[in-house]
Amino acid sequence: KNEVEQSPQNLTAQEGEFITINCSYSVGISALHWLQQHPGGGIVSLFMLSSGKKKHGRLIATINIQEKHSSLHITASHPRDSAVYICAASSNFGNEKLTFGTGTRLTIIP
Amino acid sequence: DVKVTQSSRYLVKRTGEKVFLECVQDMDHENMFWYRQDPGLGLRLIYFSYDVKMKEKGDIPEGYSVSREKKERFSLILESASTNQTSMYLCASSISKGLAGVYEQYFGPGTRLTVT
Repeated sequence: KNEVEQSPQNLTAQEGEFITINCSYSVGISALHWLQQHPGGGIVSLFMLSSGKKKHGRLIATINIQEKHSSLHITASHPRDSAVYICAASSNFGNEKLTFGTGTRLTIIP
Repeated sequence: DVKVTQSSRYLVKRTGEKVFLECVQDMDHENMFWYRQDPGLGLRLIYFSYDVKMKEKGDIPEGYSVSREKKERFSLILESASTNQTSMYLCASSISKGLAGVYEQYFGPGTRLTVT
């Protein structure tokens, strides 16, 4: 069993829809990372959070430490949001090693 | 802006060849990482380095070695390439864990390696 599980694996939605991607983890963490990977390979960090909620533009990330669960939300989705979204856990405070989920492939149809 | 560059975007090699993948970062980061990414398996850590000449094995080090002679450069070496090493290889860097807090990793663009 993977220590970091994401759902769904694939998600297709119409432009403008509200998107939610979920991440559950089974290890104690110091931080939960959300990453975005566009076709071609490059990965960028969207959020890093250890409690509560963070917002950047139309993207919102939340985490519930007690339930070991995090969500990434996209409001007013747009075709340019189409990408693979990956969650990853830093397992110990100060330890830079990440444990990755397998990713959610999001496709937004115009 | 942090920049992590990799020597090639696409590489095709033959079975048995020695392959070098180079990664360079320009932000004086202590930590550097090599991952491979395969469909359905996500990113898996091959090796990481937390200082010059220091290295630690990740989850899947077999068939690979690394070299870090300078702080900005981290090389991944496939001593004798095999077809099961066909994959996307991603390099990343981050600030040292010695500082308080957890820091994000910055990724290079990736090298898609095909071994025939």
